Amino acid sequence: DGGITQSPKYLFRKEGQNVTLSCEQNLNHDAMYWYRQDPGQGLRLIYYSQIVNDFQKGDIAEGYSVSREKKESFPLTVTSAQKNPTAFYLCASKRAPGFLETQYFGPGTRLLVL
Amino acid sequence: EDQVTQSPEALRLQEGESSSLNCSYTVSGLRGLFWYRQDPGKGPEFLFTLYSAGEEKEKERLKATLTKKESFLHITAPKPEDSATYLCAVQASGTGNQFYFGTGTSLTVIP
Repeated sequence: DGGITQSPKYLFRKEGQNVTLSCEQNLNHDAMYWYRQDPGQGLRLIYYSQIVNDFQKGDIAEGYSVSREKKESFPLTVTSAQKNPTAFYLCASKRAPGFLETQYFGPGTRLLVL
Repeated sequence: EDQVTQSPEALRLQEGESSSLNCSYTVSGLRGLFWYRQDPGKGPEFLFTLYSAGEEKEKERLKATLTKKESFLHITAPKPEDSATYLCAVQASGTGNQFYFGTGTSLTVIP
């Protein structure tokens, strides 16, 4: 089955700790995205990548980092510099950045602070 | 500034009671408007894409329409399984073809 997988489903972070959220897709999509979802707010873009080994900051990149070493994978690290990391994190992918079509979303990871 | 606003924030309907959800947008260079359904604790699921004013799309009890300033998601004779949050997003031609999302409408259909 083609799709996007995110792991883990739940993640707990201690103060001062970096944590990494996994996102993998087997749709052969070029573009991948990370969003943060908070109650009462729309999805906000953290980072996006249009091609392997290249990525751009979104609207709320501070305290986050990403890598794109393989087309299928786009992990997100929440660093200790992100002071309010509790949120629902969504990974998405799209065939190519310029194509007029939807993004497809993974099931999400909920990050909680201990 | 590109902006997407959805209303109402929450909507409670009796089963069979038809209604509409609104998504108004102000973007420079609309490339597409997208509707998604999101169940609690899950990722958004794609419903429709609309590209130009006057366009309509239908799927089961849902019908999406688009004007130059807003889109409506009409729900005809809803069932309890239609309960979810409905998200609207627009893709603009500037700023790297980013998607801009509204805050969603939480729909509850009561049996």
